[in-house]
Amino acid sequence: EAQVTQNPRYLITVTGKKLTVTCSQNMNHEYMSWYRQDPGLGLRQIYYSMNVEVTDKGDVPEGYKVSRKEKRNFPLILESPSPNQTSLYFCASRSTGAGQPQHFGDGTRLSIL
Amino acid sequence: GIQVEQSPPDLILQEGANSTLRCNFSDSVNNLQWFHQNPWGQLINLFYIPSGTKQNGRLSATTVATERYSLLYISSSQTTDSGVYFCAVEGVNTGFQKLVFGTGTRLLVSP
Repeated sequence: EAQVTQNPRYLITVTGKKLTVTCSQNMNHEYMSWYRQDPGLGLRQIYYSMNVEVTDKGDVPEGYKVSRKEKRNFPLILESPSPNQTSLYFCASRSTGAGQPQHFGDGTRLSIL
Repeated sequence: GIQVEQSPPDLILQEGANSTLRCNFSDSVNNLQWFHQNPWGQLINLFYIPSGTKQNGRLSATTVATERYSLLYISSSQTTDSGVYFCAVEGVNTGFQKLVFGTGTRLLVSP
């Protein structure tokens, strides 16, 4: 089954404790991205990657890092999480061919105390 | 950048009623998708519809790309249809680097 898998689904942690949210897709998609969703602000893009070793900033990249060492994986790293990063996070992937939809993971709900 | 507006912002229906949700966008698009965000927060892809009309059961969608709008129709609504419906687009000028989301329509279907 074609899917985008995020882990963990839920996490409560404390300020400053490094964490990684993993994202993996099994569709051989070149393009992957991360979004965060906040009340009143909608979904905003954090980072995206056009292919292995190619990443670029989205609209709200501050406080986040990403890497794309393999085509299927695109982890989101919070090296020193702060309470303003409490949010619902989504990973997405897409083939770069014309006329292709974006596929989303089930979301990761992060609470940083 | 491209702007996406959805209306109405909130909608309350009795079970069995029909509804139409609208999405307006400010520029030409390569991609338009409709999503349903369920109470658990999951984004469920309903339609990939940059143009034309599609139907899936009680749901259908129409995009008129030349007039820059899309409509999502829900017929014979059920309580499980409750949630937030998002329209999202990839602008021609921004490409597929970013999906720009509308602010959503919050739907509540009561029994």
